Amino acid sequence: EAQVTQNPRYLITVTGKKLTVTCSQNMNHEYMSWYRQDPGLGLRQIYYSMNVEVTDKGDVPEGYKVSRKEKRNFPLILESPSPNQTSLYFCASRARHEGRLGANVLTFGAGSRLTVL
Amino acid sequence: AQSVAQPEDQVNVAEGNPLTVKCTYSVSGNPYLFWYVQYPNRGLQFLLKYITGDNLVKGSYGFEAEFNKSQTSFHLKKPSALVSDSALYFCAVRDPWGGGTASKLTFGTGTRLQVTL
Repeated sequence: EAQVTQNPRYLITVTGKKLTVTCSQNMNHEYMSWYRQDPGLGLRQIYYSMNVEVTDKGDVPEGYKVSRKEKRNFPLILESPSPNQTSLYFCASRARHEGRLGANVLTFGAGSRLTVL
Repeated sequence: AQSVAQPEDQVNVAEGNPLTVKCTYSVSGNPYLFWYVQYPNRGLQFLLKYITGDNLVKGSYGFEAEFNKSQTSFHLKKPSALVSDSALYFCAVRDPWGGGTASKLTFGTGTRLQVTL
């Protein structure tokens, strides 16, 4: 089944304790992205990657890091989490090239709910 | 900069009645437009998209949307609502000719659809 898998789905942590949210897709998609969802603000892009070793900032990158060493994986790293990073996080991917089937359509993971105390 | 507005936080409709969820957008070029739906504790799922061609696009679960360039709108519609349609709906826009932001998908803040018996 074509899917984007995120782990963990739920996490409660404390301020300053480094954590990583993993994201993996099995569709050979070039483009991957992280979003956070907050009430009244919709989805805001944190970071995105156009391909392996190519990453760029989205709208709200402060406090986050990403890496794209392999095509299928795009982990989100919080080096020193703070309470304002409590949110619901989504990873998504899509084919980059316009001619590919499903291009332009993002496939989302199920979400990771993070609470920072 | 591209943007999306969903003017209604919530839309209430009785089962069997038609529903409309509103979306307006702002981009500098010709837009790609999308609707996604989020059910409780789930990731976002693609409903439909407008890329080019016929202004009326049909999508999953009987939903459709009409692209209106003069009004910069892309309202989501369904002729007969079902209780199972109750969910959070997001409109999104991408400007594929937007230079450095050509890959960026900007989401609205979401509209909660509540369908009652």
